[in-house]
Amino acid sequence: QKEVEQNSGPLSVPEGAIASLNCTYSDRGSQSFFWYRQYSGKSPELIMSIYSNGDKEDGRFTAQLNKASQYVSLLIRDSQPSDSATYLCAVNGDYGGSQGNLIFGKGTKLSVKP
Amino acid sequence: SAVISQKPSRDICQRGTSLTIQCQVDSQVTMMFWYRQQPGQSLTLIATANQGSEATYESGFVIDKFPISRPNLTFSTLTVSNMSPEDSSIYLCSVAVGNTIYFGEGSWLTVV
Repeated sequence: QKEVEQNSGPLSVPEGAIASLNCTYSDRGSQSFFWYRQYSGKSPELIMSIYSNGDKEDGRFTAQLNKASQYVSLLIRDSQPSDSATYLCAVNGDYGGSQGNLIFGKGTKLSVKP
Repeated sequence: SAVISQKPSRDICQRGTSLTIQCQVDSQVTMMFWYRQQPGQSLTLIATANQGSEATYESGFVIDKFPISRPNLTFSTLTVSNMSPEDSSIYLCSVAVGNTIYFGEGSWLTVV
């Protein structure tokens, strides 16, 4: 059973701080990793994807992947109240190439306090 | 990118009835995916819908309960049959365009 684990939170950070969200996955053969943001009452929105070890930066967001440790993280710099949402970690579960077959963690709820 | 429209966006359904959710994409895609998100839970893949062939269901999901149609490359439907309160969930249509997976706005179903 392939699993993706996240701390459910809530994670509370002050405005302007760095928020660090973590995710571990069980299947060592996983190849594609995604972070989605889900606001309450809304559908998930892709914010980052990462495929190789190391860091990937996009604006205030940095995704980090360590395949040896089976660990993915998302850093949000200069956190804003508008970043308050649930962040979902997802891993590609189909190695035959179907990018849409994702295994999701339960999500970490982030609250950024003004 | 892809724009995905789902209908209905929200509905309250009676126990024992069935409801069909529609998903329309603004571009042709080979595969469409249906996910479920139960209250307080994460997303779980129900099935993959390919045009011209039967849908492929994940473990724990069966065609009799969740029949899927895929008549063309831009449209799919998911029916939730003989609903019970446990089917109260968000149902999400998804497509993969390149390496990016896009979700529709979801269909929020409450079964009473």
